[in-house]
Amino acid sequence: DQQVKQNSPSLSVQEGRISILNCDYTNSMFDYFLWYKKYPAEGPTFLISISSIKDKNEDGRFTVFLNKSAKHLSLHIVPSQPGDSAVYFCAASAGTNAGKSTFGDGTTLTVKP
Amino acid sequence: GAVVSQHPSWVICKSGTSVKIECRSLDFQATTMFWYRQFPKQSLMLMATSNEGSKATYEQGVEKDKFLINHASLTLSTLTVTSAHPEDSSFYICSAPEGGRNNSPLHFGNGTRLTVT
Repeated sequence: DQQVKQNSPSLSVQEGRISILNCDYTNSMFDYFLWYKKYPAEGPTFLISISSIKDKNEDGRFTVFLNKSAKHLSLHIVPSQPGDSAVYFCAASAGTNAGKSTFGDGTTLTVKP
Repeated sequence: GAVVSQHPSWVICKSGTSVKIECRSLDFQATTMFWYRQFPKQSLMLMATSNEGSKATYEQGVEKDKFLINHASLTLSTLTVTSAHPEDSSFYICSAPEGGRNNSPLHFGNGTRLTVT
């Protein structure tokens, strides 16, 4: 039973456009959500997070939206840049212990120049 | 720059031998570190939580005698794959919470690609 799902294994967008990466979860105990970005041959790096008390968190070009009733979150990148091409992992945890996060399978984003 | 250093980045070993992977936190102390395993095109699967000064906590289904974890100091955790077999071939990654705080995002090492022949 996969508790965190990223249903799109890949996404391709044009430079300058918006990238929207989606993530669904099933465990209602999850209350802390994070997005990580991973380049080949490197470990994931933290991008942005959101706690369940919020429905939106913004950091520069990156915005995460949380819909608790739908158990859905999304990461918006605008404008998308070629350097954003990477694998994006959604992660969720209960009680803000990021170390016990459950990860999705990742979405490979390709931003075309 | 990297705040978590993992070594080696890749290793090839023969079946039956043991392999040690090191994970170091740089510039901060980590009483807790985490070890994951990742299969191709799949998510990171938490294997165990490494605790400085006490025993590691293993996730369900992970053999603690197979995957030995030692948190030797506040900046070093090691994962030893004992008596490795080809099915242990995988990508192993460690992480530590930022600043050593459990409620902080994780800093990951660059991973270790283990191939058992």
